[in-house]
Amino acid sequence: DAKTTQPNSMESNEEEPVHLPCNHSTISGTDYIHWYRQLPSQGPEYVIHGLTSNVNNRMASLAIAEDRKSSTLILHRATLRDAAVYYCILANTGNQFYFGTGTSLTVIP
Amino acid sequence: ETGVTQSPTHLIKTRGQQVTLRCSSQSGHNTVSWYQQALGQGPQFIFQYYREEENGRGNFPPRFSGLQFPNYSSELNVNALELDDSALYLCASSTETAFPNTEAFFGQGTRLTVV
Repeated sequence: DAKTTQPNSMESNEEEPVHLPCNHSTISGTDYIHWYRQLPSQGPEYVIHGLTSNVNNRMASLAIAEDRKSSTLILHRATLRDAAVYYCILANTGNQFYFGTGTSLTVIP
Repeated sequence: ETGVTQSPTHLIKTRGQQVTLRCSSQSGHNTVSWYQQALGQGPQFIFQYYREEENGRGNFPPRFSGLQFPNYSSELNVNALELDDSALYLCASSTETAFPNTEAFFGQGTRLTVV
């Protein structure tokens, strides 16, 4: 199973940027880096994914280290609705996700 | 697109009973994966179905079984329920040819309580 390591929790002030780190030192060349978030009592929601290059979408940005052993999810302006558990996951052609315990993000008004 | 829907949303069963959970996949998605999420933990992969065949399995005993139908909807069956089976059960759909370079869509889950 591909492994990722994330901090258990982080806090951010509302309307400030948030950088959520993830280490994945055992990543293989075919592993994509996916980020999902989960609100209480809901299923995980897709945030962003990438392979080697940095990625941007309407929700966030994903910065991938040159050696791909770490990545950072960037929320440009945190809102109260961004408070959730964020999971960094390595996905390969096996079509299966192996979740860790994620980072619980608290947004302070 | 109608999204991934799961039924029922909540369920209470007695230890030793059997349960069937259902999942309708996102329109056009041919792969369904099932996950078990215990309270305070991340989801754990149970198994995946692609074109009505099991296509990978996590570390779960044989009493966890599944089906996928021609319309790509899926069922998760659990026999001889144990108290530790109490969890949120999630299904996720995707397209096999595009994954992992595409997102997976998760349902809202079924909350199973075994008493």
